[in-house]
Amino acid sequence: QSVLTHPPSVSAAPGQKVTISCSGSSSNIGNNYVSWYQQLPGTAPKLLIYDTNKRPSGIPDRFSGSKSGTSATLGITGLQTGDEADYYCGTWDSSLSAYVFGTGTMVAVL
Amino acid sequence: QVQLHQWGAGLLKPSETLSLTCAVFGGSFSDYYWSWIRQPPGKGLEWIGEIDHSGTTNYNPSLKSRVTISVDTSKKQFSLKLSSVTAADTAVYYCAGGTYNYGFWGQGTLVTVSS
Repeated sequence: QSVLTHPPSVSAAPGQKVTISCSGSSSNIGNNYVSWYQQLPGTAPKLLIYDTNKRPSGIPDRFSGSKSGTSATLGITGLQTGDEADYYCGTWDSSLSAYVFGTGTMVAVL
Repeated sequence: QVQLHQWGAGLLKPSETLSLTCAVFGGSFSDYYWSWIRQPPGKGLEWIGEIDHSGTTNYNPSLKSRVTISVDTSKKQFSLKLSSVTAADTAVYYCAGGTYNYGFWGQGTLVTVSS
């Protein structure tokens, strides 16, 4: 059982915006940086956001990250069919002394 | 550009020991933490543990009693051993690396546990 929870799925039409929430606690999201990963079908996850709101080189600015208290959010604007994937948040949990991932959200482009 | 390449046995019998190795190409090996992460079929990601270049480790509490992660800095490789496997350990196993996040990933190895 993951200590970080996501909605199972979100969907929107091409060009629209979606947001994915990740809910945790003070031992993880509340006091640590959050990362977001995109996993396309059959591939390894890819880092989308690190340090809560930074994008690695090559990641378009359509992807954004934020945090408020013990919840984090990934935003995707200008939705494209290529964005159909599973998305996971991740962070360090200071109580567990372990890295934890969210349950994952599937994004569908209608 | 850091690249990871992993290898190991893909089919095990219950009670055997899973063994995987990951080689790191490019970048500075000592700058990052190196981890193993697994994903059961159709399920989410589970962190197994990590090691740094000095050999300091952290393990998932739920797997700690069965996991050993080791490092060979001379070869820029790190390895995973998971003992007493059961069908519940069937998963794609990934090696990964980064600093407080995982920017580098191996290609993944499907490990199936079946009698």
